[in-house]
Amino acid sequence: KAGVTQTPRYLIKTRGQQVTLSCSPISGHRSVSWYQQTPGQGLQFLFEYFSETQRNKGNFPGRFSGRQFSNSRSEMNVSTLELGDSALYLCASSLAFLAGGRGTDTQYFGPGTRLTVL
Amino acid sequence: AQTVTQSQPEMSVQEAETVTLSCTYDTSESDYYLFWYKQPPSRQMILVIRQEAYKQQNATENRFSVNFQKAAKSFSLKISDSQLGDAAMYFCAFLIQGAQKLVFGQGTRLTINP
Repeated sequence: KAGVTQTPRYLIKTRGQQVTLSCSPISGHRSVSWYQQTPGQGLQFLFEYFSETQRNKGNFPGRFSGRQFSNSRSEMNVSTLELGDSALYLCASSLAFLAGGRGTDTQYFGPGTRLTVL
Repeated sequence: AQTVTQSQPEMSVQEAETVTLSCTYDTSESDYYLFWYKQPPSRQMILVIRQEAYKQQNATENRFSVNFQKAAKSFSLKISDSQLGDAAMYFCAFLIQGAQKLVFGQGTRLTINP
């Protein structure tokens, strides 16, 4: 099976702009999670989507948003970019059974999108 | 809230030797998973090993094994016969069963000396 793919791999934007990142999960995986990685804050959870619904959200401002499509592909959007948004954005997918399921919560990561805000 | 602590920012080991990376976590949950991921310079996060909290047996994957001490909330990773390709940042992570939010430690940078 093909792994998780993310596009684009690199992005350079200026403050105030907005950006959209894309993630295609492993075939058959229904859950997509997004993480931000920075040297100062480490890896932080942004949000998770399952069956086109946001199920979990991390502690990020409303400028960070996302969505999931019927084919499980997901996008995240950051509006009004700030310098501090410069980071590696990682997407991960998992099978994620509904509540009560077991053994399917392992997340597999994509290569990431490196966002630089100037 | 769950927290994960990796107390060793950096570790180094001679090629072919054994190294152990430490991880402790804090949670009030009883049903959860623990993971070790590695992130080489390519930045691709790669799953190394996984442990379900309800299983008493320690997980092993070839040269990688864990020492899971549930009461002590400790989850260390042992790498045997270290290879140059093992050089990477290693992250310990925690996930509550049924939730898709990984909580990561700060990472341990592992260097392999030839």
